[in-house]
Amino acid sequence: SQQGEEDPQALSIQEGENATMNCSYKTSINNLQWYRQNSGRGLVHLILIRSNEREKHSGRLRVTLDTSKKSSSLLITASRAADTASYFCATDAQGLQGAQKLVFGQGTRLTINP
Amino acid sequence: NAGVTQTPKFQVLKTGQSMTLQCAQDMNHEYMSWYRQDPGMGLRLIHYSVGAGITDQGEVPNGYNVSRSTTEDFPLRLLSAAPSQTSVYFCASSRTLNYGYTFGSGTRLTVV
Repeated sequence: SQQGEEDPQALSIQEGENATMNCSYKTSINNLQWYRQNSGRGLVHLILIRSNEREKHSGRLRVTLDTSKKSSSLLITASRAADTASYFCATDAQGLQGAQKLVFGQGTRLTINP
Repeated sequence: NAGVTQTPKFQVLKTGQSMTLQCAQDMNHEYMSWYRQDPGMGLRLIHYSVGAGITDQGEVPNGYNVSRSTTEDFPLRLLSAAPSQTSVYFCASSRTLNYGYTFGSGTRLTVV
């Protein structure tokens, strides 16, 4: 089963509004990452937050992490049409041989309406 | 600096055929992974590698083989293609898991 689960699965808002997406995960992590995927394209890394951090900012993006609740949120402020994309959270997990692997959730499909 | 290069971009196979999806990176990254993406399923990890000669299975490894003989290349082999392997395949690499992954542009595979 996948480590992370995003909520909601789909979100539609008006341009200029803020968009919030949530991610929950199951096991302890070293860090959590957020990615964006435009339709038909590869994923693009947005931001990484470490387990000892509670909040991180990058431009119009704000990520929070609550390790006690095993959850994270991605906030996009002042949304633009170009923000229309799918957003995924990803967490590290222990592999069979002890190495770390990166596993993704199912994503949130964000649509920004003009 | 080309990043992560995947070939081919599109492929149609007949059931039972075998093929290799190529992935190469020029960033000297130790970590490389293969994912498949199906509608509504997000990305599922097939196999991953933490360095040359070291590979491990992901969530959905059955029907796929990998090897990592060099840092740069991480090919994914489909042993006997099945319609259930119709998907978009992404290769990604990273210095370590404390850095973000760089993704290739994907290979769209159809098995008929």
